[in-house]
Amino acid sequence: QQQVKQSPQSLIVQKGGISIINCAYENTAFDYFPWYQQFPGKGPALLIAIRPDVSEKKEGRFTISFNKSAKQFSLHIMDSQPGDSATYFCAASSTATNKLIFGTGTLLAVQP
Amino acid sequence: DADVTQTPRNRITKTGKRIMLECSQTKGHDRMYWYRQDPGLGLRLIYYSFDVKDINKGEISDGYSVSRQAQAKFSLSLESAIPNQTALYFCATRLTGVGRYEQYFGPGTRLTVT
Repeated sequence: QQQVKQSPQSLIVQKGGISIINCAYENTAFDYFPWYQQFPGKGPALLIAIRPDVSEKKEGRFTISFNKSAKQFSLHIMDSQPGDSATYFCAASSTATNKLIFGTGTLLAVQP
Repeated sequence: DADVTQTPRNRITKTGKRIMLECSQTKGHDRMYWYRQDPGLGLRLIYYSFDVKDINKGEISDGYSVSRQAQAKFSLSLESAIPNQTALYFCATRLTGVGRYEQYFGPGTRLTVT
């Protein structure tokens, strides 16, 4: 059972455009929602994370939007650059379990 | 130097062979994790350990075993490898503490079972 559903599977965006990746979760006990970025040949690295007490968190060109009632959260990459081309994973965990549940990943390609 | 290292980085083995993947960290973290990554499936948790004497199964532990030899070392073993264990394997670490949720991943081991 996929507890965190991620879409789209792949995404092509022009340089300067906005990349949007969506995730939905089922477990209302989740209280931590990170996004990880993975470049080819590397392990995932934390990009940005949000707790459910806020609806938005912004760090530079990266923004998480969080909708608790809909049990959805999304990553927005503004002014997308070719260097942003990577695989992005959303994830969720609860304080009770301390285990991260990952989405299936989105392969982003930013074309110059 | 990398904080989380994995050896080997690539391995090809035959069905039925025993294989061990090793993870070492210099971050001083107490929690360590093993994940496997498959295309279209994301990362799935195999085993995790909160300290040397604490080992827990993840969502896909069948066919795998682990050993936490020291706080800095966490090994994953495949007792009798099978082709559907072909995947990318990642070790991760995390420090226990309020507000400390980030997991730090190693560079991965690409395992092929023929």
